[in-house]
Amino acid sequence: GAVVSQHPSWVICKSGTSVKIECRSLDFQATTMFWYRQFPKQSLMLMATSNEGSKATYEQGVEKDKFLINHASLTLSTLTVTSAHPEDSSFYICSSPNPTGGVRSPLHFGNGTRLTVT
Amino acid sequence: AQKITQTQPGMFVQEKEAVTLDCTYDTSDPSYGLFWYKQPSSGEMIFLIYQGSYDQQNATEGRYSLNFQKARKSANLVISASQLGDSAMYFCAMREGQGNAGNMLTFGGGTRLMVKP
Repeated sequence: GAVVSQHPSWVICKSGTSVKIECRSLDFQATTMFWYRQFPKQSLMLMATSNEGSKATYEQGVEKDKFLINHASLTLSTLTVTSAHPEDSSFYICSSPNPTGGVRSPLHFGNGTRLTVT
Repeated sequence: AQKITQTQPGMFVQEKEAVTLDCTYDTSDPSYGLFWYKQPSSGEMIFLIYQGSYDQQNATEGRYSLNFQKARKSANLVISASQLGDSAMYFCAMREGQGNAGNMLTFGGGTRLMVKP
């Protein structure tokens, strides 16, 4: 089945530094990548949608200058948390629809990145 | 307004018994899909079952079945013969515009299921 590889699986960084999270589609072309954020014991909230070769679309309340998304190829999308603060500590997870999977096909998720900002 | 509502933040079930996890949704789009995902403590999202708004029959996948009541806008997940490994968070999600597989999913708040031995 379709696989999305997400790295790193966890990262600890100091306040003020930047962290890059990568999501790669291993066996399909990910024209679209959804980036979700999940705070502890809460649901997944969509942060932004990236499409290969174009600018990402951010959800209301998500700072595009803080959460930089790049989707330069059909197999790689990255999320960079810039100038991280402790309140950015969260679980970030990417997902992509399989373009050949049809409407019944679920989103394929990466395994997530647990970010802790100290 | 919440598009997906899961009213049970936590539930216990005895091993080998069946359990129903509730999900109601709100949409004006006649074409939509409903998904259930399992999220163990490790964090990965595991797809369980799908129900399309035009499907005539309730979806089933092994021990998972979906009690789809379209008029009531509910899509409850039924897990039969619970196992200890079923202990996890369960999320109901909806994709509006079923004709577009590229649309994002909106998730409910989740239900934490704990299976007792």
